[in-house]
Amino acid sequence: NAGVMQNPRHLVRRRGQEARLRCSPMKGHSHVYWYRQLPEEGLKFMVYLQKENIIDESGMPKERFSAEFPKEGPSILRIQQVVRGDSAAYFCASSPPGTGVNTIYFGEGSWLTVV
Amino acid sequence: GEDVEQSLFLSVREGDSSVINCTYTDSSSTYLYWYKQEPGAGLQLLTYIFSNMDMKQDQRLTVLLNKKDKHLSLRIADTQTGDSAIYFCAERNQAGTALIFGKGTTLSVSS
Repeated sequence: NAGVMQNPRHLVRRRGQEARLRCSPMKGHSHVYWYRQLPEEGLKFMVYLQKENIIDESGMPKERFSAEFPKEGPSILRIQQVVRGDSAAYFCASSPPGTGVNTIYFGEGSWLTVV
Repeated sequence: GEDVEQSLFLSVREGDSSVINCTYTDSSSTYLYWYKQEPGAGLQLLTYIFSNMDMKQDQRLTVLLNKKDKHLSLRIADTQTGDSAIYFCAERNQAGTALIFGKGTTLSVSS
């Protein structure tokens, strides 16, 4: 049973470009979470999604950031018009239905560098 | 709102015990967690404790919870060089939809 898969692991974008980060949850998991880790900071919650639904997006920046978890395929975190301050590690996590955050499993992260 | 504080660094010698401390603000937190992050990797859940418990032990790990002081600690017995990592304390938010993490404590183990 493969773990949470994130790709790309490393992404370099120029300022103003778009970044797309993908996350495939563990098999049988229908809940996905995105967290951001800025340099020398802890993880900050961004968004919690179930299939085709955004449940809690209280941590998402109001502009340029969006997330989806379609019925088929991976969850996507999209950052438009990236700026240097978006450089961070973005972690996806997933959990099975009915267990919530007590049983979330993290992926290995996608490191975004904006130049 | 919820907030979690940790000391940033801890240095110990191999074979000693390590104690990593954490304070949290939300007295209604039902679950508190310890995660480990090795360089360039994701977070690995080490253990969690329910708020009606004072202590939980799992092999070399002991978690102590002082609800009155909102203080959580993680003790690692017989610390090994492989325990060198960043350790994050976390609490569940009130909605139960997210984990609130501290900034992490970097544990350095010297031989």
